[in-house]
Amino acid sequence: DQQVKQNSPSLSVQEGRISILNCDYTNSMFDYFLWYKKYPAEGPTFLISISSIKDKNEDGRFTVFLNKSAKHLSLHIVPSQPGDSAVYFCAASVRNQFYFGTGTSLTVIP
Amino acid sequence: NAGVMQNPRHLVRRRGQEARLRCSPMKGHSHVYWYRQLPEEGLKFMVYLQKENIIDESGMPKERFSAEFPKEGPSILRIQQVVRGDSAAYFCASSPFIGEQYFGPGTRLTVT
Repeated sequence: DQQVKQNSPSLSVQEGRISILNCDYTNSMFDYFLWYKKYPAEGPTFLISISSIKDKNEDGRFTVFLNKSAKHLSLHIVPSQPGDSAVYFCAASVRNQFYFGTGTSLTVIP
Repeated sequence: NAGVMQNPRHLVRRRGQEARLRCSPMKGHSHVYWYRQLPEEGLKFMVYLQKENIIDESGMPKERFSAEFPKEGPSILRIQQVVRGDSAAYFCASSPFIGEQYFGPGTRLTVT
């Protein structure tokens, strides 16, 4: 039962353009959402999070948007850089249990 | 402040053997989580522990798998009588409170 879904397994974007990674969830009880970035052979690294009481959180080049009515989360990276190439996981939590999506592999083309 | 440490990084076991995976959380972190990532899949929650307590093990298979986080020492994920389907990357994460987690580099278990 996949409660958090990332329907795009991969995304390619030109350097300098915007990368938009999407995530959908099914459980309306989720109260905290996070994005992680993962390089091969390393553990995921926390990027940015958002509480369910907000609809936007920004940190430098990274912005997370939350649309609770649509149960949709997105991560915007602008401008995209080659070093952003990695697998991005979205995660949602309720009662301190975390559910992860299957990841989107982002490739930023120089 | 060192990050989350996991060892070994790579572990090879024959079918039927036991696998022990260790996780040392970041200093000051009392919450530990274990996740499993199968090939081509995302991270799957297995168990959430605090010191000497299992808080939520709803993601852990009922048989052969166990986890502990003793008062002293690392958290241990133990898999008895391993089977080929246990081959995966196992990640540990820690946090100081309810919220963002800091992940270790993972242990890649291969069962031959």
